[in-house]
Amino acid sequence: QSVLTQPPSASGTPGQRVTISCSGSRSNIGTNTVSWYQQLSGTAPKFLIYNNNQRPSGVPDRFSGSKSGTSASLAISGLQSEDEADYYCASWDDSLHGWVFGGGTKLTVL
Amino acid sequence: QVQLQESGPGLVKPSETLSLTCTVSSFSLRSGYYWGWIRQPPGKGLEWIGSIYHSGSTFHNPSLKSRVTMSVDTSKNEFSLKLSSVTAADTAVYYCARCRITIFPADDWSQGTLVTVSS
Repeated sequence: QSVLTQPPSASGTPGQRVTISCSGSRSNIGTNTVSWYQQLSGTAPKFLIYNNNQRPSGVPDRFSGSKSGTSASLAISGLQSEDEADYYCASWDDSLHGWVFGGGTKLTVL
Repeated sequence: QVQLQESGPGLVKPSETLSLTCTVSSFSLRSGYYWGWIRQPPGKGLEWIGSIYHSGSTFHNPSLKSRVTMSVDTSKNEFSLKLSSVTAADTAVYYCARCRITIFPADDWSQGTLVTVSS
């Protein structure tokens, strides 16, 4: 049972826009920023978004993040086949004094 | 670009101690970041284990805290993880990573190493 809640799966067709949600509580997302990770099959996670909506260098602007209250979202526009991956959200939790992750969302490009 | 490479046994017996070391290249451990460990059981999601600063200051996952020991060796630019009394539930791919406490748990990651707990 993950502290942050994500839908287990999502899907879209090429060119479409998809969003993945991440729900938490006041002690994590409600107080701290959210980061997102993309994990292609068999590889280490890749840093995708930090500070809710900032992209590290090299991450395409098709990926965007947002946060409102105790929830956050990752949006992927212009969906491509290579976006098929698992996506994870993460946030610092003030009660646990540590990082918490979502359970991950498997994105399928139809 | 910082590079991280973990090393350690791929097989550990139940009740023994899992030991991993992460060697950092092209970046100093003293450069203001924390350094962390994250694991992923086969077919499951990511779990944060703990993070350590070059001074030795640490944060641990409360669910693992009593079994986790982390250390840092700035002379070798490496940091280490020890997880005691392992069981099959500790079988996972273990990653080491660079971390900004409260901002992000990891930006640069190692490739990951599978540690299997089995007799």
